[in-house]
Amino acid sequence: DTGVSQDPRHKITKRGQNVTFRCDPISEHNRLYWYRQTLGQGPEFLTYFQNEAQLEKSRLLSDRFSAERPKGSFSTLEIQRTEQGDSAMYLCASSLRSTEAFFGQGTRLTVV
Amino acid sequence: SQELEQSPQSLIVQEGKNLTINCTSSKTLYGLYWYKQKYGEGLIFLMMLQKGGEEKSHEKITAKLDEKKQQSSLHITASQPSHAGIYLCGADKGLVGGGTSYGKLTFGQGTILTVHP
Repeated sequence: DTGVSQDPRHKITKRGQNVTFRCDPISEHNRLYWYRQTLGQGPEFLTYFQNEAQLEKSRLLSDRFSAERPKGSFSTLEIQRTEQGDSAMYLCASSLRSTEAFFGQGTRLTVV
Repeated sequence: SQELEQSPQSLIVQEGKNLTINCTSSKTLYGLYWYKQKYGEGLIFLMMLQKGGEEKSHEKITAKLDEKKQQSSLHITASQPSHAGIYLCGADKGLVGGGTSYGKLTFGQGTILTVHP
């Protein structure tokens, strides 16, 4: 296992469409995190899972956003009815209970 | 909520020069991470500091956490073009108050480093 993998790397979508991103964490990591990063800013925490349980959601995660980790392995982040303000880099990270988080390469979303 | 302020926001240096990036927190830091990011890519973990006065080094990069645990610095010695990128400090919110939840980070806005050959 070479690290956290995210797919796709880039996504261009029209406003109003739904999009789904996938994250495959490092295999033995039980914790998985989603962040959003806009240009010129640091990443902002969105949500995190411990195994399959979603333990925390940021206020940034509006009701158009949903994240799942059905079997405690890979995770998906879905955005419904995309808006131009959703354009950002979406980063996934994973960790063990007591280690630092390792990040994937991110999915860059552009809403046109 | 905890806020992190990085300075400078951007830095241009000549290859071979030393440089320092600072990260100041509005609250006590219980876990302070340094990451590097190439434009448009993910974050690469550099170091994590937890104890007041702690200092860690990796190759030519040294990070320190002050005794009061409210400020950290990242120092690069004899910079190279490969050091160019965005440096981000992150505070672990999950460790506040004795928690053990690593990975829920609040980040600074980043420092853009350019190294001219």
